[in-house]
Amino acid sequence: DTEVTQTPKHLVMGMTNKKSLKCEQHMGHRAMYWYKQKAKKPPELMFVYSYEKLSINESVPSRFSPECPNSSLLNLHLHALQPEDSALYLCASRGTGTPIGVGYTFGSGTRLTVV
Amino acid sequence: KQEVTQIPAALSVPEGENLVLNCSFTDSAIYNLQWFRQDPGKGLTSLLLIQSSQREQTSGRLNASLDKSSGRSTLYIAASQPGDSATYLCAVRQGEYGNKLVFGAGTILRVKS
Repeated sequence: DTEVTQTPKHLVMGMTNKKSLKCEQHMGHRAMYWYKQKAKKPPELMFVYSYEKLSINESVPSRFSPECPNSSLLNLHLHALQPEDSALYLCASRGTGTPIGVGYTFGSGTRLTVV
Repeated sequence: KQEVTQIPAALSVPEGENLVLNCSFTDSAIYNLQWFRQDPGKGLTSLLLIQSSQREQTSGRLNASLDKSSGRSTLYIAASQPGDSATYLCAVRQGEYGNKLVFGAGTILRVKS
C-alpha cells in the first residue's frame, strides 16, 4: 500500500459546527503532515508530527486541533471555523528511516467549505 | 528564509512539443527537491525526487535536473500530450531533520491537441 487516504473528500460545515478530517497511511511512515491550500496558491504547512509527537505548529489558530492517535492515523479537528478557512486540506507522510532519501507522499485532499 | 520561484507561471503549448519548466531556490542547504503534479481540485502526485547530491533523475518522458550550487532545477517534458495538462509544483526539503517542504507557486501547463 503506497497511498495516503483522506476522508471525507468534501465537507461543508457551518461556523458553529465541529468536524474532523482523517488521514491514514500504511507505509510505515513516521512523519505526517497537514497542509492547507487555497485556490491557485501552493500548499502551506500547518502541522508536522514525528513519531506521533507534534514537532512543528506553524502558528495555526487554535480552532484547528491536530491529533495523531497512532503511527498510521492523523486527524485534524475543526471547531468554530471561519469562511476564510475554506480550502483544500492535504495530508502527507514521509518515511523517516532514511531521512535524506525519502520523498513525500500526499493524499488527494479534503475540500472544505465553511458557510 | 527559503524562497522558491517557478517560471513561467503559465504555459500553453501544442501537443508534441518538448518543454522546460524552471524552479529556483534561494537557500542551497536542501536535502532534496521534489517535482509534483496537481490536477484541478486534486491532491499532489509525486513525479520525480532528486537528492541534493544528484544532478538529474528520469522517469519516462520526464527528466529533472538539479544544480544545487546555483539554486536551480528544471523539469523537462518530452513530446507533450494533452494529458500532461496540470499544475506542476517544485518543492525543496530542508530544516531540522528535513521536516519542512517549501513549495514554489507552480506552473500551469496546458497542452493543446
